[in-house]
This record gives sequence, C-alpha cells and structure tokens, in this order.
Amino acid sequence: GENVEQHPSTLSVQEGDSAVIKCTYSDSASNYFPWYKQELGKRPQLIIDIRSNVGEKKDQRIAVTLNKTAKHFSLHITETQPEDSAVYFCAAPKEGYQKVTFGTGTKLQVIP
Amino acid sequence: DTAVSQTPKYLVTQMGNDKSIKCEQNLGHDTMYWYKQDSKKFLKIMFSYNNKELIINETVPNRFSPKSPDKAHLNLHINSLELGDSAVYFCASSRDGSYNEQFFGPGTRLTVL
Repeated sequence: GENVEQHPSTLSVQEGDSAVIKCTYSDSASNYFPWYKQELGKRPQLIIDIRSNVGEKKDQRIAVTLNKTAKHFSLHITETQPEDSAVYFCAAPKEGYQKVTFGTGTKLQVIP
Repeated sequence: DTAVSQTPKYLVTQMGNDKSIKCEQNLGHDTMYWYKQDSKKFLKIMFSYNNKELIINETVPNRFSPKSPDKAHLNLHINSLELGDSAVYFCASSRDGSYNEQFFGPGTRLTVL
C-alpha cells in the first residue's frame, strides 16, 4: 500500500519566519498531492493542492513544491502568523481506489 | 448551509455498548469516507463508499459496520465498544473519488469508559 512519511512532527517558528514541511510518498503512480490544515478541535480543511503536471503552486503565503523524481512534496508557509498554528497533514491519494493515505501530521506553533 | 454534518458531536458510553454515528453531505458528492483520529492525531481511513457501494475496508474490526442508505448518507455502527475505540471519528466526502478535495464533517468525539 501507499506509504506517506511526513517531517518534522513538530515545528516551532517565530512569527514572521518561514516554515517548511516535507512529505515523501512511495507510489510513483500518485498524481495528486493535497495539504490539509487542522486547527485545534476543528476538522481538517484543504489549504492547497498540486497535481503532477506542475512543479510548484502558490496561494498568497502558502506554496507547495513537488519533486516527482524524488517522490517528495513540501509545504512552504512564509511570513508566518499566530493563526497559522495548527496541525498540517499531507496526503497521497491512490487514483481509482477511493483511498487517501495521510501523513502523520506536523504540529506547527508560531510564537508571537 | 452545512456541507458535511455528523451527529452526535460527543458520545460517552460504557464498554460493551453499541452506538451509531450519522453522517450526511449535501454537496452531491459520490464518495464518502470514515476516518479515525487517535490521541496522537494520526488520521486513518476506515472505509470509503462510492455511490452507496463499499470500496475500501481498511482492516477495521467487524464490530464496525458502515451503512449507506443513499449517496448522501454514510452511517457508522459500532458493536461491543472497547476502550481502544475512543477517538475522534470524521466523516468526509469528495467528488468522484480520492483525487479531489475531501470535505470533512465536524467530527464525533467518542469516549468509551
């Protein structure tokens, strides 16, 4: 089955600094890579996703980069703010199988 | 309008009891899922359904039985609850399978005493 490794498990940054979270997947057939944010006590929500026909996608302070050869993708958050504090999950769905394997999560703390 | 809703939000019960969690989505999605999130925040898929048919059953004990009466509903029934079943259970839905955004319900926090 699909293996998704996510690092680091916890990350503390000063407000205004950048944060990078990395995921590695095992199935070379994967073509869709979403990132979800889960605030304390809330549901996971999609913040950005990328499909394998592009190498990078940006949405304001958030960006995702994909390296299909190395089978890893990363979430970049610039100019972090306290409201970015949450648990972030990557995922590597398996097309045609209706199955999503989530990474183990990264707890991001932004210190004001 | 709530896209994916779950009831109840909290469930506290004794070991050995049977309980159900209900999920409904009004997004017109074809695929629905149940996830279990444990105390370490790991999010693990339990089941997925596509158009009322079971697609994925991720080695979940057969005490857990999903039921999809129609495309918009996916309920979860749990028999003989055990302490290890305590977790937050999330329902989710997506359009046309796993290669699209998943919309999660608010979660049901199950505590087994």
